[in-house]
Formats: sequence, structure tokens, C-alpha cells
Amino acid sequence: DSGVVQSPRHIIKEKGGRSVLTCIPISGHSNVVWYQQTLGKELKFLIQHYEKVERDKGFLPSRFSVQQFDDYHSEMNMSALELEDSAMYFCASSRTGGRSDYTFGSGTRLLVI
Amino acid sequence: GDSVTQTEGPVTLSEGTSLTVNCSYETKQYPTLFWYVQYPGEGPQLLFKVPKANEKGSSRGFEATYNKEATSFHLQKASVQESDSAVYYCALTHSWNMGYKLTFGTGTSLLVDP
Repeated sequence: DSGVVQSPRHIIKEKGGRSVLTCIPISGHSNVVWYQQTLGKELKFLIQHYEKVERDKGFLPSRFSVQQFDDYHSEMNMSALELEDSAMYFCASSRTGGRSDYTFGSGTRLLVI
Repeated sequence: GDSVTQTEGPVTLSEGTSLTVNCSYETKQYPTLFWYVQYPGEGPQLLFKVPKANEKGSSRGFEATYNKEATSFHLQKASVQESDSAVYYCALTHSWNMGYKLTFGTGTSLLVDP
């Protein structure tokens, strides 16, 4: 169990640019969620996929899209980046079925300049 | 929708003193309640969860009781250590559309002075 792996760890992009964040869940976990954390505290729910189907969407901007692939890894495509997109982005995964515990990755720090 | 409200921080305590972080929630579903902890530079990690009303969860000296009537889930520790300095999040989840979304409170920063 290598944990949830996120890449890259840090990224700097110019305003108006694009970025792709990747999340590899724990083996056997098909439920993946994304959160945005700003100001070092508030965790804002962005989107959730379960078995490759979008199940719930929160504060995900229309400029962003998220896809879950056959091996359950997830990618967040971000376009037309704005300064306020600067934040930590965490993904988390959990097993199918039951009220399983989420395991979070170490996050990607995005800075838009 | 769901909401979670917890003690505003930062909270500063001396080592050996007691901690209480208040948490209250609102949901129309039957939730499972969690406390998560986040250390600098890391993602949140589960401290413990309580799926059933009127039961207690605990870990590393921290504990909380799921009070369904009061819709509360306060975090307590009798004697904090410097290593407990972190941000603590109360959270809830319930089954929705075959998935389990976690709704977090705004977090409470704890700083323990040695």
C-alpha cells in the first residue's frame, strides 16, 4: 500500500495557462474525490467519481474537467487559469461500498502568476 | 446541503492542558462522523470515525462522542502534547449516488506550547 500518489507536487503557471494534475488512488480504491484548499485551511469539495462515473460535483469551475480512467487514476485538466486558482489540490480515495475511510494524497501546490 | 461548524481558531494551549474543539453539523441524511488531522505539508489524515449515534470514537488520546440529539461531535483530549500541534477538521459523510462525499468544517488550528 503505497498510499494515494499525486503529481506534480508543485507547479507554477502563468495566468491564462493550462495544467494537468494527476491522482493515483490506492490499489482497489475506485472512489476518488478532489478538494481545493486555500488559505491553508478550508477544504472545498470539487468533484467525486466512483467506478469512472461522476457522482457529485461541488465547486469545480467550468474551466476545469476531471476524468477517471479504467485503472481508476484521475486527472484534473485546468484551463484559462486565474490567480485565484492558486491553492493546494488534494485528491483522496476510498474502497467501494460501505462508509469507507478516505485516504488523502500529499497534494499539489498550484501557483498562478 | 450538509454543513459542519467547528471552533474558530487558532487555539493555543500549554502542554499538559486539556483540549475541546466544538463541532456541530446539519444534514438531512444519517451521517458518519469523522475527525481528521492535518500536519504542515501533508494531506488530511483520519484521526477516527464514528458511524453510529451515541457511540464514541478515539485515537491517540483524542475522543469524541456522536450526539445525535444535539447534532454535535466535540473533540476532546485530556492532556495535549507539543506534537499535537496541527489543524483539526470535523467532517461528515453519507451515501449519495453510490459515493461518499466528505463535508469538512473550516478547521481549527491548534498550537501547543512546550
